[in-house]
Amino acid sequence: KNQVEQSPQSLIILEGKNCTLQCNYTVSPFSNLRWYKQDTGRGPVSLTIMTFSENTKSNGRYTATLDADTKQSSLHITASQLSDSASYICVVSAPGTASKLTFGTGTRLQVTL
Amino acid sequence: KAGVTQTPRYLIKTRGQQVTLSCSPISGHRSVSWYQQTPGQGLQFLFEYFSETQRNKGNFPGRFSGRQFSNSRSEMNVSTLELGDSALYLCASSLDGWSTNSPLHFGNGTRLTVT
Repeated sequence: KNQVEQSPQSLIILEGKNCTLQCNYTVSPFSNLRWYKQDTGRGPVSLTIMTFSENTKSNGRYTATLDADTKQSSLHITASQLSDSASYICVVSAPGTASKLTFGTGTRLQVTL
Repeated sequence: KAGVTQTPRYLIKTRGQQVTLSCSPISGHRSVSWYQQTPGQGLQFLFEYFSETQRNKGNFPGRFSGRQFSNSRSEMNVSTLELGDSALYLCASSLDGWSTNSPLHFGNGTRLTVT
């Protein structure tokens, strides 16, 4: 069964600190891996999209890495800000259509003063 | 460019009733997909429409249905509501469906509460 597991479930960090969120998946075959940020009460917003041939992609202070051999991805947030407080969702897709999307349950990040 | 618009934002219904949710995609996007999000299950795929045709369906009962109009706007209907249908329902649009570099653009969802 295709699965996407994220860790930790929740995380609290001080403003200005860095953090790394993990995503392990078993989806095979694999097409791409996406990271989304979801603020409370809002829809998810795309941060990065990586194909199996890419091993790193950045979007401002967000950097995603991918190791397709070990089926692991990480999202690194640099110099965190209060506005980074949100849920971060990892989504893996197999080739084909939307029914083959597998969602992680997310990591809830809280950035405090 | 306007984003994905979902209406209504909030809805309260009682068990046994039916409900219709609406989604207007980004202009030019032909694919609309629907998701249910609950605290326990996370995001789960409901179905995807592309050029007025349902292209894929997730593992939900037949009480959940949808359609897409010629202008790409989509509606989702849930009949005979159950308490467990309480969730945030999200709609997402993309340019041409699920391709490698085609991101999903989500609306802010409809919060459905069934009492």
